[in-house]
Amino acid sequence: EAGVAQSPRYKIIEKRQSVAFWCNPISGHATLYWYQQILGQGPKLLIQFQNNGVVDDSQLPKDRFSAERLKGVDSTLKIQPAKLEDSAVYLCASSLDSNEKLFFGSGTQLSVL
Amino acid sequence: AQSVTQPDIHITVSEGASLELRCNYSYGATPYLFWYVQSPGQGLQLLLKYFSGDTLVQGIKGFEAEFKRSQSSFNLRKPSVHWSDAAEYFCAVGGSNTDKLIFGTGTRLQVFP
Repeated sequence: EAGVAQSPRYKIIEKRQSVAFWCNPISGHATLYWYQQILGQGPKLLIQFQNNGVVDDSQLPKDRFSAERLKGVDSTLKIQPAKLEDSAVYLCASSLDSNEKLFFGSGTQLSVL
Repeated sequence: AQSVTQPDIHITVSEGASLELRCNYSYGATPYLFWYVQSPGQGLQLLLKYFSGDTLVQGIKGFEAEFKRSQSSFNLRKPSVHWSDAAEYFCAVGGSNTDKLIFGTGTRLQVFP
């Protein structure tokens, strides 16, 4: 079974630039999550989708972060404009449904200079 | 407030030695408790979880954890560590398998031959 796919693996940008990350969840998984993991911290939930609808985006900095999950499959997370403090690993996870086991991707490591 | 504390940032053990990683939590309702492992460049992998029943839970890779409600703890243990266990370990708490998981800051395990 293929796992959660994320790209790119690494991204380096300058502050005030924009960046986008892509996630392809495990086939058939209705629930998709984006987590932010800052160095030295545990992952923090940014947004949760159930199919193509947003379930929870209470910790998403909506002035600069946006996410979408068109057609309820792939998802993109965008930052515009990026700040230095956005440097982190962005993890995508999926589950068959809410309250089912989470499967994590390998993440996208973002460095904002 | 809901939180997870992992007091040990970095632990070093010799291969074959026993291991205990500490985790304390604060959660208003009956918690789901998890331990995840993250190898370098990899996503998080679930080791084990507890919700109810036997307070000693067995996980993958020979790990176990014990839930102690009176101490608000969920410590991870392994009787004999292997070099391949070197990784970062995260304790997490939530209201379900996936609901707004709150992660600790992680414990980095180093294993010497």
